[in-house]
Amino acid sequence: SAVISQKPSRDICQRGTSLTIQCQVDSQVTMMFWYRQQPGQSLTLIATANQGSEATYESGFVIDKFPISRPNLTFSTLTVSNMSPEDSSIYLCSVERSPAAEVFGYTFGSGTRLTVV
Amino acid sequence: DAKTTQPPSMDCAEGRAANLPCNHSTISGNEYVYWYRQIHSQGPQYIIHGLKNNETNEMASLIITEDRKSSTLILPHATLRDTAVYYCIVRGRNTDKLIFGTGTRLQVFP
Repeated sequence: SAVISQKPSRDICQRGTSLTIQCQVDSQVTMMFWYRQQPGQSLTLIATANQGSEATYESGFVIDKFPISRPNLTFSTLTVSNMSPEDSSIYLCSVERSPAAEVFGYTFGSGTRLTVV
Repeated sequence: DAKTTQPPSMDCAEGRAANLPCNHSTISGNEYVYWYRQIHSQGPQYIIHGLKNNETNEMASLIITEDRKSSTLILPHATLRDTAVYYCIVRGRNTDKLIFGTGTRLQVFP
């Protein structure tokens, strides 16, 4: 199944700044997903990123706050913009485990632990 | 997407079977049941999935009731490393997204 490298693994940022998180996959995948996991909570889907088109955002998430790039089939970035302490979370990317993702589900990166001070 | 209901927490003795229930009473005919787990500070890990029949792999067994309204994940011989949050997710064949519920926090004790 696909192997994901996510960077950075953790960061501490000042409020008002932005952080870009990278997700690199060792194989070509059609869809990439970005999730947020707030402290002690479950995972919440932020958006779906397809190569060659704009990301599709879930309710409660907007492009101005979480711009996403998907320049090719193995790479994506998520930017957390104008950060506040409420953005302190773990951010994870996810991709298909295999081309037959509709059956076999998804693989997740190890996450980026963001603390905003 | 169909919703799932899981108990918030469970305990299991090391070496014993851990049986994690999940209710998905509104599941539709083409929706699969997936199980993932998240060990502390790691990304979720795929465990198993099923449609109608019971399934078994090297990690676990999945028992789906005949009416498909509930299922049970079985870890046959739980170890301390199985301590994690376990998520039951229902996902349609043509739906790309995985929507996570609150999961069950399984604590395996010595």
